[in-house]
Amino acid sequence: DGGITQSPKYLFRKEGQNVTLSCEQNLNHDAMYWYRQDPGQGLRLIYYSQIVNDFQKGDIAEGYSVSREKKESFPLTVTSAQKNPTAFYLCASSNPRRGDTDTQYFGPGTRLTVL
Amino acid sequence: RKEVEQDPGPFNVPEGATVAFNCTYSNSASQSFFWYRQDCRKEPKLLMSVYSSGNEDGRFTAQLNRASQYISLLIRDSKLSDSATYLCVVNVWGGSQGNLIFGKGTKLSVKP
Repeated sequence: DGGITQSPKYLFRKEGQNVTLSCEQNLNHDAMYWYRQDPGQGLRLIYYSQIVNDFQKGDIAEGYSVSREKKESFPLTVTSAQKNPTAFYLCASSNPRRGDTDTQYFGPGTRLTVL
Repeated sequence: RKEVEQDPGPFNVPEGATVAFNCTYSNSASQSFFWYRQDCRKEPKLLMSVYSSGNEDGRFTAQLNRASQYISLLIRDSKLSDSATYLCVVNVWGGSQGNLIFGKGTKLSVKP
């Protein structure tokens, strides 16, 4: 089955630790995105990548880092510099070259809690 | 002014009711519009794209009014399974690789 997977589903971290969230897709999509969602809030864009080996900061990139070494993978690292990391993290992908250009499809999310 | 605004609700309706949500957007250059559905503690899932001519998918009808910069979603014959949060989503740049801005969502609760 084609789709987007994220792991782990739940993640607990101590303050001061870096943690990496996994996102993999087998949809052959060029573009991938990371969002965070806080309770009662809309999704906010952290980073996005339109092609392998390239990525751009979104609206709230501070305290996060990403890499895009492979088309199917876009891991997100939450660093200790992120002041309020507890949130629901969602990865998405899209295929800008198709006619339905910017529809984004989401993975199941990772719920990060900082203890 | 917020880029995408929605009434947060909740909308509490009985089964079988018709309910409508509106959403306004601020960027007049926006070209792509969507409604996503998000269940509690789950990821958003695409419900339908919104086209200039309006579109219908079963019990769901979406309309776009570019002059007034709003999008609507109409749900007829509401089912218990329609209970969810509905996100209005707008493409900011209007281009093929632009990014999407999500509204905070409108919560719908359908009661028996």
